[in-house]
Amino acid sequence: AQSVTQLDSQVPVFEEAPVELRCNYSSSVSVYLFWYVQYPNQGLQLLLKYLSGSTLVESINGFEAEFNKSQTSFHLRKPSVHISDTAEYFCAVSRGNTGFQKLVFGTGTRLLVSP
Amino acid sequence: DAGVIQSPRHEVTEMGQEVTLRCKPISGHDYLFWYRQTMMRGLELLIYFNNNVPIDDSGMPEDRFSAKMPNASFSTLKIQPSEPRDSAVYFCASSAGLAGSETQYFGPGTRLLVL
Repeated sequence: AQSVTQLDSQVPVFEEAPVELRCNYSSSVSVYLFWYVQYPNQGLQLLLKYLSGSTLVESINGFEAEFNKSQTSFHLRKPSVHISDTAEYFCAVSRGNTGFQKLVFGTGTRLLVSP
Repeated sequence: DAGVIQSPRHEVTEMGQEVTLRCKPISGHDYLFWYRQTMMRGLELLIYFNNNVPIDDSGMPEDRFSAKMPNASFSTLKIQPSEPRDSAVYFCASSAGLAGSETQYFGPGTRLLVL
């Protein structure tokens, strides 16, 4: 079975500073990896996902994540954060290739951006 | 499209009462999911449907919980009788297609408080 570990429950950072949110997964088979973002009082929305191909994936709002198979990681980064990036970020994994597999979510990392 | 719609957004009830949560998925999506989010357990998949048919309800905590999908545009999650430990945010999500690579689109959630 797949599992996801988000080591940091909360990451405080100043506006315009870089940030990295860590995600490690455990799986014995190929996987799909996702980052979802949850803004206050809203549902989750997809930020970016890795399915195959280039190990570096980007979102439209400046986030990027790199799939590292050897380290079983999918860390999320942004070179310069904005106040509006304050949200909770969830890493998720599903089993690749063979039909539908449930998404398994991490416990989330709360990103707090202050001026 | 309006996205996934959930009602009510907030529900406060007393222990022992019946609670019904409602969801309208995105038109054309053939998968519907019910999740529960708590501080202690994070995001948990309760049940999911494909073409209105329940496929996996292994995440439903106990017999007090039931879910139905009478047609492609409506689903309910019912708790009867409700207990304080059921207090959580309940999300409905929908997706198109079978593969685990598909993006899930989440509703805004129903925040349930059982007193």
